[in-house]
Amino acid sequence: GQQVMQIPQYQHVQEGEDFTTYCNSSTTLSNIQWYKQRPGGHPVFLIQLVKSGEVKKQKRLTFQFGEAKKNSSLHITATQTTDVGTYFCTDKLIFGTGTRLQVFP
Amino acid sequence: NAGVMQNPRHLVRRRGQEARLRCSPMKGHSHVYWYRQLPEEGLKFMVYLQKENIIDESGMPKERFSAEFPKEGPSILRIQQVVRGDSAAYFCASSPRDRSNSPLHFGNGTRLTVT
Repeated sequence: GQQVMQIPQYQHVQEGEDFTTYCNSSTTLSNIQWYKQRPGGHPVFLIQLVKSGEVKKQKRLTFQFGEAKKNSSLHITATQTTDVGTYFCTDKLIFGTGTRLQVFP
Repeated sequence: NAGVMQNPRHLVRRRGQEARLRCSPMKGHSHVYWYRQLPEEGLKFMVYLQKENIIDESGMPKERFSAEFPKEGPSILRIQQVVRGDSAAYFCASSPRDRSNSPLHFGNGTRLTVT
């Protein structure tokens, strides 16, 4: 069946450093969504990408959808402690394995 | 506009008992999804429902688990004869339209503990 893998599984960074998580699907996706889950919380929608090669920005966050629509990435510039959490990609049914980000002040 | 409401927030059941988890979607949302999350793991899709219809239950175990979304009232995820392995956080999410274009709005989840 379809699998969605994310790397890395964990990432510890110093505040101010950049962070990137990569999402790879075994099948082509019609669209991809990104969610953030704070420790003890519930997933919160960040963004949706639909078009091949699409790039979207939200302040310090940059999202990219691969040309083949099988991979995606989320890049955070100059991380802050408020960025702490687990970031998931998904097609709404299959969630990626997630990348847990820890930011040290 | 109230968000997705799940209750109870925490549920403790002994092995063999039944667990009923409730989810009221956001106002105007007619699609409900249920996910299970084990500690330190991702979300596993269980079932996708519209009012009075199960659209996709491919992620739901064949035995002991059932879900419904009646015309009136909340969506219910029911687990019969619970076992320790059922201990997890169960999240419900709703969306206003079909699955392809709408973001998911999640509830706070129900943490089920089976003793």
